[in-house]
Amino acid sequence: DTGVSQNPRHKITKRGQNVTFRCDPISEHNRLYWYRQTLGQGPEFLTYFQNEAQLEKSRLLSDRFSAERPKGSFSTLEIQRTEQGDSAMYLCASRARQTDETQYFGPGTRLLVL
Amino acid sequence: GQQLNQSPQSMFIQEGEDVSMNCTSSSIFNTWLWYKQDPGEGPVLLIALYKAGELTSNGRLTAQFGITRKDSFLNISASIPSDVGIYFCAGQLWRDDKIIFGKGTRLHILP
Repeated sequence: DTGVSQNPRHKITKRGQNVTFRCDPISEHNRLYWYRQTLGQGPEFLTYFQNEAQLEKSRLLSDRFSAERPKGSFSTLEIQRTEQGDSAMYLCASRARQTDETQYFGPGTRLLVL
Repeated sequence: GQQLNQSPQSMFIQEGEDVSMNCTSSSIFNTWLWYKQDPGEGPVLLIALYKAGELTSNGRLTAQFGITRKDSFLNISASIPSDVGIYFCAGQLWRDDKIIFGKGTRLHILP
């Protein structure tokens, strides 16, 4: 499968714990985006990378959230000291700048904070 | 910030009926997108529109980019069971920009 992959697909954690999600974009896609989707809503933009550089962060991305893309390939999104309000689907998308402007989404990681 | 108002919120139709949904924005977008999301999956792009007034088809789907650049509609003709899902309108200021999504239209097909 050559699509965007995300791991884990599901995560249940207790409030106050740290969690980390991983996104593997489509090979050679230089842009990578993170979105958050809560129940009954559309996805909301969190942040994006061009190669390893993080170029924009939404106000939704509080200090407890950090995203990295150290080698310009896969990316991680970490949430520290999780809160119940962090429960959501976290979606990753990637696109190839030169050949195709479409953002291709992964299947998402569904987080439940108890 | 920019907001997209998508309507209707949900639709219940019979198989074979045509479907129409629309989206309006408080500000201008230069790109309009329509996505479909199935349960437990990420959104999949159906149609992308890049010019005001543009009308684009993808099989039984037709979408238009409003002349004011503040609205778009999506039509589905002769609905089939696999059309069930959530349809999102979305906009971008620029083609490599973040995507702003509406809240979705949930399509149900009655047996």
